[in-house]
Amino acid sequence: SFDLTQPPSTSVSPGQTASITCSGDKLGDKFACWYQQKPGQSPVLVIYQDNKRPSGIPERFSGSNSGNTATLTISGTQPMDEADYYCQAWDSATGVFGGGTTLTVL
Amino acid sequence: QVQLQESGPGLVKPSQTLSLTCTVSGGSISSGSYYWNWIRQPAGKGLQWIGRVYTSGSTNYNPSLKSPVTMSVDTSKNQFSLKLSSVTAADTAVYYCARGYCSGGSCPIDYWGQGTLVTVSS
Repeated sequence: SFDLTQPPSTSVSPGQTASITCSGDKLGDKFACWYQQKPGQSPVLVIYQDNKRPSGIPERFSGSNSGNTATLTISGTQPMDEADYYCQAWDSATGVFGGGTTLTVL
Repeated sequence: QVQLQESGPGLVKPSQTLSLTCTVSGGSISSGSYYWNWIRQPAGKGLQWIGRVYTSGSTNYNPSLKSPVTMSVDTSKNQFSLKLSSVTAADTAVYYCARGYCSGGSCPIDYWGQGTLVTVSS
């Protein structure tokens, strides 16, 4: 089966750049999405089609996808960006989520 | 602005059927090239895609799920539903309904309900 692997956690200082990776076999051949989930809230789409931002998502969020790895980058990270982040892709007609990465801003 | 709202029993007994409905407001469930998802999240764990249904009635389910899944759409009520049979404690989770769309080969999930907790326990 197709699996997506993310690091369980990462931390960043305010104002610095955070990078969260998502690995899967030939993931670069698929489109990756990223979702942000804050405690007690529903997930929010922050990146789709590898590197596109939905309306209302700040420009500091960006994405890339090549080879076996997709990356979510948050430039100038703010305390409000502290959350869980999930990558997601489609394996044929099956939706697959990564295990999630907890981003701590400290 | 599209809104989705899950509804259904919060407690289901083991071996019984979990049934949830998602009501879509702010737009017709039949308009556009959308598909309608169910996703769940056990407490303290990650997201698991359960499946999706199109307004044509076509469905795709996660083959890794142990409990049989059925999804359907009722366009007259602007609702779609989930049935999970023969549930066990492992099916205890927050269940989200969500809308997706496909464009340019990408199929993001762009609107989510607030989620509803379903506990499987006798």
